Amino acid sequence: EVQLLESGGGLVQPGGSLRLSCAASGFTFSSYAMSWVRQAPGEGLVWVSVISGSGGSTFYPDSEKGRFTISRDNSKNTLYLQMNSLRAEDTAVYYCAKERSSRDIAAAGTVDYWGQGTLVTVSS
Amino acid sequence: DIQMTQSPSSLSASVGDRVTITCRASQSISSYLNWYQQKPGKAPKLLIYTASSLQSGVPSRFSASGSGTDFTLTISSLQPEDLATYYCQQSYSIPWTFGQGTKVEIK
Repeated sequence: EVQLLESGGGLVQPGGSLRLSCAASGFTFSSYAMSWVRQAPGEGLVWVSVISGSGGSTFYPDSEKGRFTISRDNSKNTLYLQMNSLRAEDTAVYYCAKERSSRDIAAAGTVDYWGQGTLVTVSS
Repeated sequence: DIQMTQSPSSLSASVGDRVTITCRASQSISSYLNWYQQKPGKAPKLLIYTASSLQSGVPSRFSASGSGTDFTLTISSLQPEDLATYYCQQSYSIPWTFGQGTKVEIK
C-alpha cells in the first residue's frame, strides 16, 4: 500500500524558513517523479515543485523560484521541500504527491497518490 | 501558463441525478487532462487521467471526455458519497495548473 506521510509544518514568522519532509513507502520511490502541491485555506490546488526520480531535474513555477527547493533522498525514501523567505500568502496545506507513471518530469504531471498534508502558517 | 476554467463553480443535485462539469483550457492541451475529487478535509484523489481513462478503483459512474480545449466530467448517477469539490488539471506543460474547482452538493 502506497503511503506518503508529510511532516515539518507549523507556525513560522514572515521571512522565516521551514523544511517539509515526506516519508514514502509501498512503492519503488526512485522510479517516480514527486511533487509538492499546496492549498491555501478555502482555496484551490496549486502545484509548487516537481523532482525527477533520480533527483537530477527539478522545476518550479516562477512564483516559487529562488525561494523553494525540492530535493529527495532515495536511500531514505524521503522527499523534502525547503522553503525560505516565507510570506503570509504561503500559508497553506502542503501535499506530497506521487507521479502516476514516470520518473521523468517531461512525461509526468499526473498524481495518483497524495499525502494527508501538512499545514504551514506564516504569521507574526 | 495555461489557464484552466471550470464551470459551474458549484452545483446542487439530487441523488440519482446525472451531473456534468466542464473544464476549458486557455490553449490546446491535447488529452493531457486529469480530474481529481477532494472530499471535505481530505486530500485529493485521482479519478480520471489523460482525459478519459478511469483510475483503478474509481466507480464506473464517473466518466470523462474531451480533447483540445474542452473537457467534461460526468457522474451518471449522483451518490451521497460524491459530495466533494472536483478539480481538473492540465499536464500538457509545466507549470501544471488546476481549475478553480467545482463544489458538488447534494440536495
